[in-house]
Amino acid sequence: GNSVTQMEGPVTLSEEAFLTINCTYTATGYPSLFWYVQYPGEGLQLLLKATKADDKGSNKGFEATYRKETTSFHLEKGSVQVSDSAVYFCALGRTGTASKLTFGTGTRLQVTL
Amino acid sequence: ETGVTQSPTHLIKTRGQQVTLRCSSQSGHNTVSWYQQALGQGPQFIFQYYREEENGRGNFPPRFSGLQFPNYSSELNVNALELDDSALYLCASSFTGGTQETQYFGPGTRLLVL
Repeated sequence: GNSVTQMEGPVTLSEEAFLTINCTYTATGYPSLFWYVQYPGEGLQLLLKATKADDKGSNKGFEATYRKETTSFHLEKGSVQVSDSAVYFCALGRTGTASKLTFGTGTRLQVTL
Repeated sequence: ETGVTQSPTHLIKTRGQQVTLRCSSQSGHNTVSWYQQALGQGPQFIFQYYREEENGRGNFPPRFSGLQFPNYSSELNVNALELDDSALYLCASSFTGGTQETQYFGPGTRLLVL
């Protein structure tokens, strides 16, 4: 079946540091890949997505590239801010019938001044 | 454009009771999916509704049931509540029929079972 593995947190960084959160997946076929962010006490917000191999999703300075050869979708940001502190979830999904999302366990990011 | 809304925001129930959670989908969307997120975990897929019928189900017992209405809103019902049902319940809406079925989430309903 489908599965997503994320690096465990928490990840603690100083403001303006470089961020990488690793995500690898197992799936048959060609899933779509997503990063969602969850701020304290809130639901999930879509951060970025990629629907095919070598696609790069980007939003708010975050980027992730769909690497089929390494089955990875690592999240990166060049300079984090305190406001980026949140839990980040990698997920895979399929189009068509019952397009459920399969999530990783989440990675908590804490950014300090 | 109105986003996904859920009600209530918080709920406290006792073991054995029944609960109904509600979700209004985003404008233009026709599919609703429900997820359970236990504390410190990623969301787990419960089921999806499309055209008012269940369109896929995760590994949840039959006491978890749902409905979708003609306006695409949805309900999640849980009977015979157990302590382990305490979680954040997330609703997501999407459009089935296009090339990309990105799911957009509501703020969730936090359920506590005592």
